[in-house]
Amino acid sequence: DTAVSQTPKYLVTQMGNDKSIKCEQNLGHDTMYWYKQDSKKFLKIMFSYNNKELIINETVPNRFSPKSPDKAHLNLHINSLELGDSAVYFCASNTNRGTSGNTIYFGEGSWLTVV
Amino acid sequence: GNSVTQMEGPVTLSEEAFLTINCTYTATGYPSLFWYVQYPGEGLQLLLKATKADDKGSNKGFEATYRKETTSFHLEKGSVQVSDSAVYFCALSNQAGTALIFGKGTTLSVSS
Repeated sequence: DTAVSQTPKYLVTQMGNDKSIKCEQNLGHDTMYWYKQDSKKFLKIMFSYNNKELIINETVPNRFSPKSPDKAHLNLHINSLELGDSAVYFCASNTNRGTSGNTIYFGEGSWLTVV
Repeated sequence: GNSVTQMEGPVTLSEEAFLTINCTYTATGYPSLFWYVQYPGEGLQLLLKATKADDKGSNKGFEATYRKETTSFHLEKGSVQVSDSAVYFCALSNQAGTALIFGKGTTLSVSS
């Protein structure tokens, strides 16, 4: 069973569209994240939720909105897509913040291409 | 603030060569340190980690030692294989464990 699963894995869409990427973890973790990996492979955190509460919200356009219906799910909605949004988006989860040695588990990534 | 600096890539080696990828960090408190690996077209996998000074993480022939005095966590492998070709990321977790901060990644290419 996949611990952190994301859908879709590949997404090609036109500028101006609205799209969502879904993420689910079956590890019983409290904390979930969205990371963005740009074309140079640089990874940067976008959002983090702990028990459905937003705890990290980095400087990203407000066209990006995370939604956590329950602690096992963290979806990413993107409105009015732009060419610069093309990237790989990784969902991740962590057992419990407050302990720095806990491993953060990543999904396989969602490759978003905006044309 | 917290940050991670990795050596610039790409690193190109022949099979069975010795590998070192340098990583240094800046952090307040006592972070945990990680190496993640990303194989072509795949997601991130934890390779190894160390949670306190002088700890050595090891996995699949890779090793890294948490050196507080030099704020470093260099990745080493004695004999690389073609299958080790990937992007390697050094990362730290702040003391609250709220998030990972990544270095920029180092691409390793191993040829036979």
